[in-house]
Amino acid sequence: NAGVTQTPKFQVLKTGQSMTLQCAQDMNHNSMYWYRQDPGMGLRLIYYSASEGTTDKGEVPNGYNVSRLNKREFSLRLESAAPSQTSVYFCASSEAGRRQTNSPLHFGNGTRLTVT
Amino acid sequence: AQKVTQAQTEISVVEKEDVTLDCVYETRDTTYYLFWYKQPPSGELVFLIRRNSFDEQNEISGRYSWNFQKSTSSFNFTITASQVVDSAVYFCALSEAFSGGYNKLIFGAGTRLAVHP
Repeated sequence: NAGVTQTPKFQVLKTGQSMTLQCAQDMNHNSMYWYRQDPGMGLRLIYYSASEGTTDKGEVPNGYNVSRLNKREFSLRLESAAPSQTSVYFCASSEAGRRQTNSPLHFGNGTRLTVT
Repeated sequence: AQKVTQAQTEISVVEKEDVTLDCVYETRDTTYYLFWYKQPPSGELVFLIRRNSFDEQNEISGRYSWNFQKSTSSFNFTITASQVVDSAVYFCALSEAFSGGYNKLIFGAGTRLAVHP
């Protein structure tokens, strides 16, 4: 059981380049999330998706777009990377639906992105 | 507004010492959920415990124990007889019950625990 799988694990971009971070889960979870982790700031929510076909902004959505391709996959796109987007990105999933907010999040192993 | 504060940035202990990681939260809701996650040096995030706002019973799981006190808005985590393998960053997180769902967890900044042999 793979859980939540993120690719790539590492990426270096130049300012202005674009890329897509991929995420897939095999736990049949309804909700998926993208977080970024920066030193001293914990994890901050970028975007989330309650179910296939729906996405919503989190705390820090600027500079990012997402796509919930199907129930399993949730991708994060940086259209024009900036040095401020240097971070570790985590994808997560949970069973939570509209009335369930207590299900724990299951996280992928993260993508370490550096923008020069 | 929701907020989670982990005032201890780094803690260093010697193996077999007991250590308590503090977590203080702020929320206007009467129903909410609290979580602890562990992030070992390998980088993954591991779920440790979930507690709802109606259950103030302390919980013990092996060497780990959690003390939830609504009166002080705290959800502290104690490791008894610490081991080197406990070295990690520990995150406390809060989820409101009626934020529209979807586990919009608010994380604290984390506490880095170093256990030395």
